[in-house]
Amino acid sequence: EVQLVESGGGLVQPGGSLRLSCAASGFTFNSYGMSWVRQAPGKGLDWVSSISGGGGSTYYADSVKGRFTVSRDTSKNTLYLQMNSLRAEDTAVYYCAKGLGSGSYVSDYWGQGTLVTVSS
Amino acid sequence: DIQMTQSPSSLSASVGDTVTITCRASQSISSYLNWYQQKPGKAPTLLISSASRLRSGVPSRFSGSGSGTDVTLTVSSLQPEDFATYYCQQTYSPPYTFGQGTKLEIK
Repeated sequence: EVQLVESGGGLVQPGGSLRLSCAASGFTFNSYGMSWVRQAPGKGLDWVSSISGGGGSTYYADSVKGRFTVSRDTSKNTLYLQMNSLRAEDTAVYYCAKGLGSGSYVSDYWGQGTLVTVSS
Repeated sequence: DIQMTQSPSSLSASVGDTVTITCRASQSISSYLNWYQQKPGKAPTLLISSASRLRSGVPSRFSGSGSGTDVTLTVSSLQPEDFATYYCQQTYSPPYTFGQGTKLEIK
């Protein structure tokens, strides 16, 4: 059974940093692309970043480029999102999601989400 | 960047009705279009990939069609559990943008 469990969310001040983790199980982690998608309170889905199965290709939304870094650790079956220079508009529930294949970012399984609140 | 526009933004319908939601891309995305369903307080779930490929386990009353710039999701014979918010997403090229969502409510 595929499981994705996010952690690392919380309250952070503007300009601060946070690292989200997504522990994956139930599939061969390095064979699938992974993505981060966020949802601000009461708003729609907002794609943030994706990374290929091998980790060699990464993609970012313009709104987070240069501030966020996606990475993955195959030995730990864990996906990460390092978030720096956080802004109020980054406040959202952050979901990690599994792709259909190594270079696919169609998200067929999602975690339960972790809430990030950026506020002073 | 490819912009995705869903219509309508909200929709009221009754159990047993058939509804159609449209997603329009700002440029051709071939069939790289996916549909997700989200219920309040829950993570989204994948319904359809590649415009028309029904995910295993998803009821056959859900169907997708179209390619290029216009893709549609049709839900036939609405069931109570279908009242939710639906999102399209293009995976043709990054950034992999979502539509703004369509909230399907019970009339």
